[in-house]
Formats: sequence, structure tokens, C-alpha cells
Amino acid sequence: EAGVTQFPSHSVIEKGQTVTLRCDPISGHDNLYWYRRVMGKEIKFLLHFVKESKQDESGMPNNRFLAERTGGTYSTLKVQPAELEDSGVYFCASSQERNFGRFGEAFFGQGTRLTVV
Amino acid sequence: LAKTTQPISMDSYEGQEVNITCSHNNIATNDYITWYQQFPSQGPRFIIQGYKTKVTNEVASLFIPADRKSSTLSLPRVSLSDTAVYYCLVGDIASGGSYIPTFGRGTSLIVHP
Repeated sequence: EAGVTQFPSHSVIEKGQTVTLRCDPISGHDNLYWYRRVMGKEIKFLLHFVKESKQDESGMPNNRFLAERTGGTYSTLKVQPAELEDSGVYFCASSQERNFGRFGEAFFGQGTRLTVV
Repeated sequence: LAKTTQPISMDSYEGQEVNITCSHNNIATNDYITWYQQFPSQGPRFIIQGYKTKVTNEVASLFIPADRKSSTLSLPRVSLSDTAVYYCLVGDIASGGSYIPTFGRGTSLIVHP
């Protein structure tokens, strides 16, 4: 069974450009999460989808970030326009359990390393 | 808010047992304790989860005292491939209502030959 896959693995863009990250969760997992780690910081929660609906987007840093999950399958995270402080590693995870923080397991992708120059 | 505290780093040698302790003084009654492992350039990977007492799987053991304010991940006979960052997670409620585990800084374990 395929795990969580993210694309691209690396992206280098100039400040002001737009970048779209993609995440394909494990088939059948209704819950999809985005996290990110900026340099030297902890892995931080960004948002949580249940199927195609945004359950919680309280971790999104600002309105330059837009996440979508069309049809409840794959998800995209768009950063427009990108700023230098957006550089970091963006992780996607999926789980069967709605609240994997309480119990259960989430499966993480390998991450997308975003560098804004 | 639930918060965890772990050693920043640990060193060990191949074949030794490694114990990593995590403090979570504000753990909620319904919280489970989960440990993840992360290798460089990879996403975190689930290791073990428990609620109380002891849990063991093919990879590790997790010891949780009665007050549940701490937990200890035990890795038996580590090898070089166990060099990784280990995260202790307990749940947290994001402001939007999702029950999301909080990643701390983790413990960087280095296993030496």
C-alpha cells in the first residue's frame, strides 16, 4: 500500500512567486493534515481536513496560504506570494482516526523542502 | 495547553539500551502518549502509543507511571540505524477544535559504533 506522497520534494522560488505543494494521502484516509517546520523551530500544525472540508485551519500563518482538498482526495497548499520566512519543510499527514492526537496513528509524507530566495 | 519536555540530545553506543524520558505535566485525562521517530529528510514515523502502565511492540517499549505526568521510551539494543530524532506527543486542542498532537523539539539520538 502506498504511503503519503508529497510533491515536489524540493522547491526553490524567488520571493513574490507562487508555489503549490501537493499531498496524496493514503487511500481511504478521510483526515489530512498539513504541518511545517521552519528553520530551527518545531513542527507546527497548519490545518486539518476531514474529507474535503476544513475542520481546523487555526495554524495557517496568514492569508498568503491557501489549502484545498478537492473531492476529499489529494490536497494542495498554495503560497502566494511567497516570502523569505516561508522557507521550511512542509509535511502532510493522513489518518483514519479523526483525532489522531488523542489516539491512533498518523502517517506522514517525506515533506517538501521549500526555499524562498 | 499540553506540552512536552524532552532532552535535546542523547548519545549511545550500538547494542546498548536507550531510555528517553518525556515530561507532560499537563496531560489531560483522555490523552494518549505517542512517540514518533524522524530520520533526516523524512517525515515522522509512528513508533508506539500508550495510555498507562507499559506497552511493548517489536520496536520499543513505553513505560508510563500511574500519574501519567511522564513517560519513557525504551529502545533495546540500539543500532546505528536508530540514529534519529524522537518526539513525544500528547494531544492538544487547536483553536479551531481539532485534537492535534503537539510536536516539541524532540530528542536527537546519536548511536555510535
